[in-house]
Amino acid sequence: GENVEQHPSTLSVQEGDSAVIKCTYSDSASNYFPWYKQELGKRPQLIIDIRSNVGEKKDQRIAVTLNKTAKHFSLHITETQPEDSAVYFCASQFLLDQGGKLIFGQGTELSVKP
Amino acid sequence: DAGVTQSPTHLIKTRGQQVTLRCSPISGHKSVSWYQQVLGQGPQFIFQYYEKEERGRGNFPDRFSARQFPNYSSELNVNALLLGDSALYLCASSLAFVFMSTDTQYFGPGTRLTVL
Repeated sequence: GENVEQHPSTLSVQEGDSAVIKCTYSDSASNYFPWYKQELGKRPQLIIDIRSNVGEKKDQRIAVTLNKTAKHFSLHITETQPEDSAVYFCASQFLLDQGGKLIFGQGTELSVKP
Repeated sequence: DAGVTQSPTHLIKTRGQQVTLRCSPISGHKSVSWYQQVLGQGPQFIFQYYEKEERGRGNFPDRFSARQFPNYSSELNVNALLLGDSALYLCASSLAFVFMSTDTQYFGPGTRLTVL
């Protein structure tokens, strides 16, 4: 079935430390994996994404890794700052007959303490 | 360059009523998807529309319906509202319905629906 498991559900780090969030997906045909950041009361905002033909992608302090064999992908945030505090969602694309939908994880509430 | 817009921002309805939510995609985007986000959970897929046709439907009852207009804007309708329909309804737009290249879904600010 279509499922994305995300861990941990909450994560608290000190400013400057690194944060890692892990996701596992079920559909081996999935080939697109975005990460969204959602601040309280706001829309999910895309922060980084990765496609199945790439194993790693980096954008400044944010990186995503993908292991297609294990069906795992992870978000890495380095040198965390208080403004990184938010809920982070991973997602995997599930292809439909004539379209596609995103299956989201349950979310990780990241708290960065100054 | 305008992003995805949704209206209204907030809505309060009572059980049994009907509601219509609206979405305008990013200019040039032809696909619109609707998601329901219950507090504390990730968004759940409801519908996808591309070129005015339904391309996908999630596990939601027939009380939920949608349509897309020639200008690619979209409406989500929910009939016979239940308390459990209270949620943030998100619209996402993308260039095309198949995420085969660099296509990405961008979310609107959402409509917060409260059913009393």
